[in-house]
Amino acid sequence: GQQVMQIPQYQHVQEGEDFTTYCNSSTTLSNIQWYKQRPGGHPVFLIQLVKSGEVKKQKRLTFQFGEAKKNSSLHITATQTTDVGTYFCALPPGGTSYGKLTFGQGTILTVHP
Amino acid sequence: EADIYQTPRYLVIGTGKKITLECSQTMGHDKMYWYQQDPGMELHLIHYSYGVNSTEKGDLSSESTVSRIRTEHFPLTLESARPSHTSQYLCASSEGQGVDTQYFGPGTRLTVL
Repeated sequence: GQQVMQIPQYQHVQEGEDFTTYCNSSTTLSNIQWYKQRPGGHPVFLIQLVKSGEVKKQKRLTFQFGEAKKNSSLHITATQTTDVGTYFCALPPGGTSYGKLTFGQGTILTVHP
Repeated sequence: EADIYQTPRYLVIGTGKKITLECSQTMGHDKMYWYQQDPGMELHLIHYSYGVNSTEKGDLSSESTVSRIRTEHFPLTLESARPSHTSQYLCASSEGQGVDTQYFGPGTRLTVL
């Protein structure tokens, strides 16, 4: 079945430092989604990437889809305490996973003021 | 914010009790999902539904059951709660087309004593 590896599992940064999380798929993807879950909260959709090599920005967040459409990254420039949370990538249905997203393991980001 | 609701938000209950976690959405989404998530851990899909009278088990085996009699309602039931069921349960829905973003409810934190 479809497998996803998200790294790192944890990241501690000082406020103002940059942060990156990576998501790697065992199969070529049609698209990839990213979600953020604040501590004690629920996952919230951030963005979807569709095109090979696509780069999208949301303020200090930069999302990138690999040329081979098998990996993606989320980069935060100059982290703030409001960036704290878990960031998940989510892969679209594939094979027998029709209709179901496959979520990565998540990267827990801690920002020290 | 998406219109998806879960009740109760917190539940502490004794072993052997029957419980039902409620999930409702007012967006008319056909697809609905139940995830189980331990603190700081990944999301595990335990049930999903593509529409009324359609339910399937997810990737993680669960002793819970679900029903989908109405589009907007997707309750989860545990016939006999055990301490191993202690976790957070997140309900989500999606439109089922286009980007197919999943919208999550606030979750139910279940503690079984």
